[in-house]
Amino acid sequence: AQRVTQPEKLLSVFKGAPVELKCNYSYSGSPELFWYVQYSRQRLQLLLRHISRESIKGFTADLNKGETSFHLKKPFAQEEDSAMYYCALSGRAGGTSYGKLTFGQGTILTVHP
Amino acid sequence: DAGVIQSPRHEVTEMGQEVTLRCKPISGHDYLFWYRQTMMRGLELLIYFNNNVPIDDSGMPEDRFSAKMPNASFSTLKIQPSEPRDSAVYFCASRAGGGMNTEAFFGQGTRLTVV
Repeated sequence: AQRVTQPEKLLSVFKGAPVELKCNYSYSGSPELFWYVQYSRQRLQLLLRHISRESIKGFTADLNKGETSFHLKKPFAQEEDSAMYYCALSGRAGGTSYGKLTFGQGTILTVHP
Repeated sequence: DAGVIQSPRHEVTEMGQEVTLRCKPISGHDYLFWYRQTMMRGLELLIYFNNNVPIDDSGMPEDRFSAKMPNASFSTLKIQPSEPRDSAVYFCASRAGGGMNTEAFFGQGTRLTVV
């Protein structure tokens, strides 16, 4: 079975402060991991994926297989980062649940001025 | 492409009534997902299809829920009979390929209220 856990439902920080949104996963295989974001009144959209090792809007996420984590980080939060963030896992080819895309419970990030 | 299209955007119905939610995926996408979003549980996967075939429906909460995908461009999620605890936002998403880090594209959701 594949499972994604985001332990924090709500996270509040002040503008300019560092932010870390936690994500832990459970999967019997090598997963593909993503972060999706939902801004107010907008569709859920992809923020970044672990395979790309990219930084989007200043956010980065590193896959730690030892800790089965994929935490999302940003050194200096901005007010426009306020949104709902979801961590997601997809089964890889050749493994069980290939193609299945599972999301965590989500974390609402609020960045105060 | 207009993206994933869901209808209706809002649905208010009385307990016991049948509700049908509709989804048109992005053309060419071979995976389609139905999710339910609530504050308590976040984004729950209900069912997903590959090439119009249901692959995993283990997330469907009860027999009252059913989903179909008669062709590559249309899917429905039906609740019969509906109950107040079914009130939530239901999302449809589609994806090209099951892996290789392909992005899933979401519809705008259907907000269902059962009174």
